[in-house]
Amino acid sequence: DQQVKQNSPSLSVQEGRISILNCDYTNSMFDYFLWYKKYPAEGPTFLISISSIKDKNEDGRFTVFLNKSAKHLSLHIVPSQPGDSAVYFCAASVAQGGSEKLVFGKGTKLTVNP
Amino acid sequence: DGGITQSPKYLFRKEGQNVTLSCEQNLNHDAMYWYRQDPGQGLRLIYYSQIVNDFQKGDIAEGYSVSREKKESFPLTVTSAQKNPTAFYLCASSNGPGTGAYEQYFGPGTRLTVT
Repeated sequence: DQQVKQNSPSLSVQEGRISILNCDYTNSMFDYFLWYKKYPAEGPTFLISISSIKDKNEDGRFTVFLNKSAKHLSLHIVPSQPGDSAVYFCAASVAQGGSEKLVFGKGTKLTVNP
Repeated sequence: DGGITQSPKYLFRKEGQNVTLSCEQNLNHDAMYWYRQDPGQGLRLIYYSQIVNDFQKGDIAEGYSVSREKKESFPLTVTSAQKNPTAFYLCASSNGPGTGAYEQYFGPGTRLTVT
């Protein structure tokens, strides 16, 4: 059962416009959410995160919104740049047996066209 | 320069052979993790370790083994019992539970191909 879902496998936007990547989750015990960016054949790079007690976190061009009642979070990139083209993974953190584990979605491939 | 190193970048093995993937970190992180990524899939947790000499199975541990003899090192052995070993393997580390830091930092990955 997939606890973190990214329902759009791909997204294409024009340079300068907004990119919105979405993520849904089912486990109400998740206490922290993260977004990672990944280029092919490389490890993921941490982008931005948000605690479950907040509804928004902003870092430069990147903003993450959390709607706990809907169990939904989104990543906004404004303005989008060609260098943002990558696969974006949503991840959620849950405490389990004294450990903190991350559960990842399957990713959304973002293409920003010049 | 702190970071996580994985070697080699590409690894080829014959079916039936065990193979060990290296992961080293100099971030002084307590926790280390191994993930596997398949095409079109997210990252799936194989094993993780919160402290030296202790590790737990993740979601897909069958056919894999690990050790954590040193804080800096967390090697993963892909055994011949793993039915579909060809994949991209990622090692990560973090400060561990109770520190308030949830981010995991990833190495560059090892692409394992078994034929």
